[in-house]
Amino acid sequence: EPEVTQTPSHQVTQMGQEVILRCVPISNHLYFYWYRQILGQKVEFLVSFYNNEISEKSEIFDDQFSVERPDGSNFTLKIRSTKLEDSAMYFCASRPTGGEWETQYFGPGTRLLVL
Amino acid sequence: AQSVTQLGSHVSVSEGALVLLRCNYSSSVPPYLFWYVQYPNQGLQLLLKYTTGATLVKGINGFEAEFKKSETSVHLTKPSAHMSDAAEYFCAVSDRVWAGGAGNMLTFGGGTRLMVKP
Repeated sequence: EPEVTQTPSHQVTQMGQEVILRCVPISNHLYFYWYRQILGQKVEFLVSFYNNEISEKSEIFDDQFSVERPDGSNFTLKIRSTKLEDSAMYFCASRPTGGEWETQYFGPGTRLLVL
Repeated sequence: AQSVTQLGSHVSVSEGALVLLRCNYSSSVPPYLFWYVQYPNQGLQLLLKYTTGATLVKGINGFEAEFKKSETSVHLTKPSAHMSDAAEYFCAVSDRVWAGGAGNMLTFGGGTRLMVKP
């Protein structure tokens, strides 16, 4: 069964460094999402992406964040200058255009630790 | 704005006992409703969803949920817990958007960790 994959599974970085989190959505999906979950808190929406542009973004998704679909398969989240409070689990999700179109399929997540 | 409340961050049941995980939502219009499960070190897996039609929805692994519009609830149940059901369960809602709409971000509850005792 097709699934969303994410790399790396864990990343440790120093405060102020740039990180890029990578996701490979399910191949025929066209809508992509990033969510994050700070330890002990709710899963929070960051951004949605369709047709090579951001569709919606939350207040969390400030100028330090950016998303990109650099090729036909990858979807990336970049944090330009990481802060301690960016430490969280980051989930990528994708959804199809037909069939089960309401359903978002999630990847296993990338656990980011900012020191 | 939508919000989701899951009652009980931790629920413990004995193997074979009824599982009941509670979820209430707040939304200006009836949303789409989802339950996801997260096993240790894995991503979020869809258990079931309610979009329209029958208000009792059956999901995977023997779980089901009943959407009650009057109570704005969608509680998750399973008649008999199994050790393999130990996981974290998330209730989520999204707006009713059309298939081509780029939105339908999910709003999640805080999650309920289910523990199953032998």
